[in-house]
Amino acid sequence: AQSVTQPDIHITVSEGASLELRCNYSYGATPYLFWYVQSPGQGLQLLLKYFSGDTLVQGIKGFEAEFKRSQSSFNLRKPSVHWSDAAEYFCAVGPYQGGKLIFGQGTELSVKP
Amino acid sequence: DTGVSQDPRHKITKRGQNVTFRCDPISEHNRLYWYRQTLGQGPEFLTYFQNEAQLEKSRLLSDRFSAERPKGSFSTLEIQRTEQGDSAMYLCASSSRQASETQYFGPGTRLLVL
Repeated sequence: AQSVTQPDIHITVSEGASLELRCNYSYGATPYLFWYVQSPGQGLQLLLKYFSGDTLVQGIKGFEAEFKRSQSSFNLRKPSVHWSDAAEYFCAVGPYQGGKLIFGQGTELSVKP
Repeated sequence: DTGVSQDPRHKITKRGQNVTFRCDPISEHNRLYWYRQTLGQGPEFLTYFQNEAQLEKSRLLSDRFSAERPKGSFSTLEIQRTEQGDSAMYLCASSSRQASETQYFGPGTRLLVL
């Protein structure tokens, strides 16, 4: 079965602290992986994506993610969190040639001052 | 590049009424997707188009739901005889081969069925 698991429903970090959001996937074909961020009542904004090449990918707003094929994981990281990073984060997987994305349940990030 | 737009942004309707949402994709994006997102969940795929052709429909898309993309540009999603369980955010996204099939999302239409 194709699925995405984000084990952490809600994470709270202090401003300036590092962040890691976990994502594990199950996908039959070569996965095309994404992280999106969603502010309340808004659509999804693309943070970064990975299909091939260097397994450490850089995205917008200082985020990065590392693809680990052996662990079927694509974890999102940020070295120093800002209050404006508080939002919901979604990991997704799909086919490279286009088609439906399968999303995780999301991780809500709160940032303490 | 103006991004994906959706109209209306919010819709309140009474149970049993029909509603129609519109999505305008990024110009020259030939693929267009519809997703539904309920509170506390990730988006769930409903259907997608490549140009005018509807290539895939989810089993979530009951007979009350219909989507069209008549000229391969904008798309409409209609829900007939709405039910309270249809209350959700309806998201549209578009992609193209030139953009590596990355899906870019619109702001969504929030539907509340009373």
